[in-house]
Amino acid sequence: AQSVSQHNHHVILSEAASLELGCNYSYGGTVNLFWYVQYPGQHLQLLLKYFSGDPLVKGIKGFEAEFIKSKFSFNLRKPSVQWSDTAEYFCAVNAKAAGNKLTFGGGTRVLVKP
Amino acid sequence: GAVVSQHPSRVICKSGTSVKIECRSLDFQATTMFWYRQFPKQSLMLMATSNEGSKATYEQGVEKDKFLINHASLTLSTLTVTSAHPEDSSFYICSARGDRGGDYGYTFGSGTRLTVV
Repeated sequence: AQSVSQHNHHVILSEAASLELGCNYSYGGTVNLFWYVQYPGQHLQLLLKYFSGDPLVKGIKGFEAEFIKSKFSFNLRKPSVQWSDTAEYFCAVNAKAAGNKLTFGGGTRVLVKP
Repeated sequence: GAVVSQHPSRVICKSGTSVKIECRSLDFQATTMFWYRQFPKQSLMLMATSNEGSKATYEQGVEKDKFLINHASLTLSTLTVTSAHPEDSSFYICSARGDRGGDYGYTFGSGTRLTVV
């Protein structure tokens, strides 16, 4: 069965600091990878996704993620965060062999201090 | 872009009653819909997957008789929590996936906060 782990449960940082959130998955076959953001009181929004091609994916709001197949990782990065980036971030994986199912990591709560 | 509408956003019901939650894809045909449950400060747990016109596939540990899922059309899926109890209080989220070329996108509804008293 596919599983997804996010290493950091909580991250606190100041504005303009760089952010990197780790995500590892367990499945060895072909995967589609996603990062979602959930702002307080709002629904999940897609930040970026990887299906194939360039392993460095650029998303919205200045976020990017790098797929490293050998490490089964899909870490999310942002060079300089803003207070408005305070949210919960979820990594999700869809393994081709699992059909349409999307499996979520435990989430990382990010607090950006002004 | 793709939009999924989920209603109601909040519902409070008495223990023993049933509650229906609707999930609609507004501008695309959702061949597959997913229902998740999210406990406070936790991740989304997949409850079931439903394909239009067929029975839902439930995840292990999810009671199919308690959480009735209907996916009667390509734009509507419903989740009915039957004989609700306080332990069913949670945040329920639907997601829809449509085949739009090679984009295997998942679009999420805004969620329904269910409180059973």
